[in-house]
Amino acid sequence: SQTIHQWPATLVQPVGSPLSLECTVEGTSNPNLYWYRQAAGRGLQLLFYSVGIGQISSEVPQNLSASRPQDRQFILSSKKLLLSDSGFYLCAWSPGNPYNEQFFGPGTRLTVL
Amino acid sequence: KQEVTQIPAALSVPEGENLVLNCSFTDSAIYNLQWFRQDPGKGLTSLLLIQSSQREQTSGRLNASLDKSSGRSTLYIAASQPGDSATYLCAVKSGGSNYKLTFGKGTLLTVNP
Repeated sequence: SQTIHQWPATLVQPVGSPLSLECTVEGTSNPNLYWYRQAAGRGLQLLFYSVGIGQISSEVPQNLSASRPQDRQFILSSKKLLLSDSGFYLCAWSPGNPYNEQFFGPGTRLTVL
Repeated sequence: KQEVTQIPAALSVPEGENLVLNCSFTDSAIYNLQWFRQDPGKGLTSLLLIQSSQREQTSGRLNASLDKSSGRSTLYIAASQPGDSATYLCAVKSGGSNYKLTFGKGTLLTVNP
């Protein structure tokens, strides 16, 4: 069966510090991978998606970037965090066709102070 | 641009009551619709997936319907229990090669013992 992992679970970082959140998927190959952010009162917002290694698409302009160095690894990064980067970050995966479910990881709670 | 709306934003019911959560979307050109459950501070758990060609899906006490032409879906929960208390999210999959999900802001359900 497939499993999706995210770490860390929680993170408190000062403004201006770098960020690296990691997501890995087990039990599948060539998944579509997604990063979402959930902010209070705003719902889930898709940040990045990837259909293959090295292929990253950004949905919204922001202070963040994403990379996919391996087939089942997806990394969310920032060089300098802003207060507005605080939120709950969720990684998700789905098989590479549009008719399947999307599955979510446990999330990372990021607080920028 | 796809937009998803969920009504009501919050719902409080006594245990044992049957209830309906509503979801509407603006663009009927969807692949499928997915209902999720989110417990506080946790990731999303997929409840039901309805393909665009289907009218409904059932899992235990849950029944989801889809009327694609009118852009509406409902999630029916029978004989509600306190353990059903959570936020319920509706998401539609549409568009291009990224098969992205567009989420509503959710309905916060509280089932009182």
